[in-house]
Amino acid sequence: KAGVTQTPRYLIKTRGQQVTLSCSPISGHRSVSWYQQTPGQGLQFLFEYFSETQKNKGNFPGRFSGRQFSNSRSEMNVSTLELGDSALYLCASSSNPPGQGFTGELFFGEGSRLTVL
Amino acid sequence: AQSVAQPEDQVNVAEGNPLTVKCTYSVSGNPYLFWYVQYPNRGLQFLLKYITGDNLVKGSYGFEAEFNKSQTSFHLKKPSALVSDSALYFCAVRDMGGSYIPTFGRGTSLIVHP
Repeated sequence: KAGVTQTPRYLIKTRGQQVTLSCSPISGHRSVSWYQQTPGQGLQFLFEYFSETQKNKGNFPGRFSGRQFSNSRSEMNVSTLELGDSALYLCASSSNPPGQGFTGELFFGEGSRLTVL
Repeated sequence: AQSVAQPEDQVNVAEGNPLTVKCTYSVSGNPYLFWYVQYPNRGLQFLLKYITGDNLVKGSYGFEAEFNKSQTSFHLKKPSALVSDSALYFCAVRDMGGSYIPTFGRGTSLIVHP
């Protein structure tokens, strides 16, 4: 069974630009969540989607947005990039959302490393 | 608000010795507790979890963790460390009485010396 796939793995952008990151979950998984990992802040929750609906959202500005498609693939977008957005962005999938056979463990992709210059 | 503390940024242990990576948590409801491992330039991998039942849970690669409700701790342990265990370890909690959003600790770098 293929794991969680994130593209691109590495990208470099300049301040003010926008970026779109993609995530394909494990086949059969319908819940996708996104995290920002930085050395200073650790792992911070961005948002979680299930069946194309955003279920939870972390404490990030509106420049950070996401969506999920009918095939469970997800994208996140960051607009008007700032230097502080440089980070490893991790996507994780799980089989069920809370309350529906929820088991809790997450399966992570290898991440998209964004550098903002 | 829920929180996770990993009090040690780095743990050093000699190969063959037992290892412990510490984690304490705070939640208002019942906790789901997890350990993940991250190797350089990789995503996180699930190691083990505690949801309910036996306080000692066993996971991948010979790791285990003990849930202690009174001390609100969930320390990761392994009886005999391997050099290949060297990695970054994250403890995480989900409050099953709250929003279910996972909170991660800041991570502990485990270095196993040959």
